[in-house]
Parts: sequence; C-alpha cells; structure tokens
Amino acid sequence: AQSVTQLGSHVSVSEGALVLLRCNYSSSVPPYLFWYVQYPNQGLQLLLKYTSAATLVKGINGFEAEFKKSETSFHLTKPSAHMSDAAEYFCAVSTLGSARQLTFGSGTQLTVLP
Amino acid sequence: DAGVTQSPTHLIKTRGQQVTLRCSPKSGHDTVSWYQQALGQGPQFIFQYYEEEERQRGNFPDRFSGHQFPNYSSELNVNALLLGDSALYLCASSLRQGRTTYNEQFFGPGTRLTVL
Repeated sequence: AQSVTQLGSHVSVSEGALVLLRCNYSSSVPPYLFWYVQYPNQGLQLLLKYTSAATLVKGINGFEAEFKKSETSFHLTKPSAHMSDAAEYFCAVSTLGSARQLTFGSGTQLTVLP
Repeated sequence: DAGVTQSPTHLIKTRGQQVTLRCSPKSGHDTVSWYQQALGQGPQFIFQYYEEEERQRGNFPDRFSGHQFPNYSSELNVNALLLGDSALYLCASSLRQGRTTYNEQFFGPGTRLTVL
C-alpha cells in the first residue's frame, strides 16, 4: 500500500518569494512520484514526475522537485512565485504493482500575495 | 489532438437516482481510470479499465460500476445516489505499455455531480 502526506493545507507567499510545498510518501516498493496542479473548476495538469531516473526533476512553469529516499520526501519548489501560480497542488504516488493507480495527497492551496 | 474529454460538465441529481458519466480518452490511449474528488480533498481512485475489463478497483462500493467500449471510451455509473456522492469525477487516460514502464495519465476537466 502507498500513501502521501502533504504538510500544510494552505501556503501563502509573496510574489517573487520562494515557493516550497511539502510532500512525504510511504511505499513498500520503489515509487513513482508526481506533482499535479489544479486551477479552479478545472482538471489536473501534470507539473513534473519522478520515475527512478534523476532525483532532481524539473517541470513546467519553473517548478522542480527533489526525490529524497532517506527522507521519503518529494518537495516541490519554485525560486520566484508568480501570481499565476496561485492554485491547488497535489502530490501523488504510484507503483507498477498497483496497476499504475495514483494515490493523492489532500492538496495544498497556494496563495500568492502581491 | 483532442485531450481527454468528459460529459456532461455539470449534473444535478436527487438521492436514490442513477447517473452515467462519460469519458473519451486522449487519442492513442487505451486505458481509462476514474477518480472521485470531494470538495477540499484529493482525488480518490475508483477503478481502471483496460481491454474492456475492470483491472483494478479502489475502495468504492458496488454502486459504482463502469464500462469500457471497443473505441476505448468509458462510462462511470453510480446507482442509488447518496448525498455523499456529490463530487468532481475525473477521468484519466494513459497508454498501457507493458509492466515495466510508467506512462503519464492525462486528466479530463471532470464532471461536477451534485446530489440533492
């Protein structure tokens, strides 16, 4: 079984400040890890994914995440927040043995202050 | 290239009724997964269809059933609706390319179901 914990249901940052959204996972087998973004009244868009290649993963819109096995973490960062980054962010885990089903965290709402 | 499409966009039903939601996968994809996203929560896996069969199921009662057609499109059916079934229902498609690779799931915009 796998699970995801996202610390902080709401995060606020000023425009231009560092964005850090936290995600910790639990998996008994090597995981695949993902960050998705959801804008109001829309579906999910993949930001980036870790599939056992490089541990530092770069995604769209300037986001990146680092897989740290020792810490079971996959935190999402962006050096400089933009107003358009305001959205809900979901971390998810999957494994090959789970028929590729995604298990999501409860989400983090990011607010960007002017 | 059309992405994942879902219909209808919004739906209002009353308790006890039945509902059918539809999903057309991204071109070239053969696998469809359904997720339920309650307000303020992350999506939860309902089930996955491949080759017209349910391959994996999450922790949802039998009131939730599905179907996949030869053209890979899919339906989600929910019987005896409860107030708690109110949610955004998301469809995701992917290409099942063997057991040693992971292929990205592409999500549709969802169907917002309200049960009164």
